[in-house]
Amino acid sequence: GESVGLHLPTLSVQEGDNSIINCAYSNSASDYFIWYKQESGKGPQFIIDIRSNMDKRQGQRVTVLLNKTVKHLSLQIAATQPGDSAVYFCAENGNTGNQFYFGTGTSLTVIP
Amino acid sequence: GAGVSQSPSNKVTEKGKDVELRCDPISGHTALYWYRQSLGQGLEFLIYFQGNSAPDKSGLPSDRFSAERTGGSVSTLTIQRTQQEDSAVYLCASSLSTGDTEAFFGQGTRLTVV
Repeated sequence: GESVGLHLPTLSVQEGDNSIINCAYSNSASDYFIWYKQESGKGPQFIIDIRSNMDKRQGQRVTVLLNKTVKHLSLQIAATQPGDSAVYFCAENGNTGNQFYFGTGTSLTVIP
Repeated sequence: GAGVSQSPSNKVTEKGKDVELRCDPISGHTALYWYRQSLGQGLEFLIYFQGNSAPDKSGLPSDRFSAERTGGSVSTLTIQRTQQEDSAVYLCASSLSTGDTEAFFGQGTRLTVV
């Protein structure tokens, strides 16, 4: 079966610092890797994705890095803000690309 | 509506009863997904609908679970003879089409089986 896992379940950072959330995946056939953010009491919200033929993609205050050699994905958040506090999930779209396989999540807490 | 709408937001049911959970996807979205999220856990895929194609039911945990999508829009997830282990948040998501990585999630239905 699919396996998407995270290195650390919790992460605390000081407001203004950069955050790095890591994820390990197992399915090399996945075409896309995606990061979602889930705030308390809400459904997950899409942040950014990266195609398997890329190794870096930047968005607004976020950067996703993909290392296919070691099957590792990371999300970097610049100048972390209190509103960034949430659970972050990495996901991959598997062999068929028709569904998403999510990891357990990393809980990010931003300390004011 | 502007987003994915799920109802009810909370449901408490007695063990052994049947429940129906509803999802209204974003208008025009052809792909619809159901996921289950247990406390402190990741999202477990249940079922996927794409247009008029046969649904991908590979994630349904048992034959007590079923889902349908009428007219390519509203979807209903039915759990028969509920068990305590069915307690979880059930999330619905929709996306424009197959392969679209940006799925829009509803707020979920929190199901508690007592």
